[in-house]
Amino acid sequence: QLQQSGPGLVRPSQTLSLTCAISGDSVSSNRAAWNWFRQSPSSGLEWLGRTYYRSKWYFDYGVSVESRISFNPDTSNNQFSLQLNSVTPEDTAVYFCARTIDDSSGLAYWGQGSLVTVSS
Amino acid sequence: QSALTQPASVSGSPGQSITFSCTGISSDDGVDNYVSWYQQHPGKAPKLVIYDVSNRPSGVSDRFSGSKSGNTASLTISGLQADDEADYFCSSYSDSSPYVFGGGTKVTVL
Repeated sequence: QLQQSGPGLVRPSQTLSLTCAISGDSVSSNRAAWNWFRQSPSSGLEWLGRTYYRSKWYFDYGVSVESRISFNPDTSNNQFSLQLNSVTPEDTAVYFCARTIDDSSGLAYWGQGSLVTVSS
Repeated sequence: QSALTQPASVSGSPGQSITFSCTGISSDDGVDNYVSWYQQHPGKAPKLVIYDVSNRPSGVSDRFSGSKSGNTASLTISGLQADDEADYFCSSYSDSSPYVFGGGTKVTVL
């Protein structure tokens, strides 16, 4: 189960931060990848990036956000977080965290979604 | 504009079968089977119904089936039920992203 948390309103130029808490699984699983997506009426579903552990941590980020995004896997609290810097109103969307099904790319487990509005 | 193309809407009566497509699937070796389908009800997170072209996750009804031919994938829902009314998104791999999505197909149960 994935439980998302974070503010629903972010000011322009500030940093959007969301956390995805994991239960019943481990962020360090060597069979899963942990992803962030967002969805908006104008852009549809968009992959933002992923992190996964295979003897070490790997990070892949989407081209459209790679210059201002970072993920942080937190093994102590069994969660992973998203930080998106320098946000604009175009970053307004529903954000989802998601886990792949074991040893596949299908996204079998999703957080509940977080509506984040970027506005002054 | 989405990387993958889906029909905007499809409808059917209860008990009928419907099939809709997703074009623009990568044909590169090793990633051409990275096709997934997701069902999304309004205000909810997507739900995986098909992965790796034709595999069903545990707990998903066998009324859902997937296939692929060339650069087109298809999702079939047989024995249409009221709860199948939702948006359906296909996903595949691209050179720039492990996940690109279609714009979604709205399924209406008449």
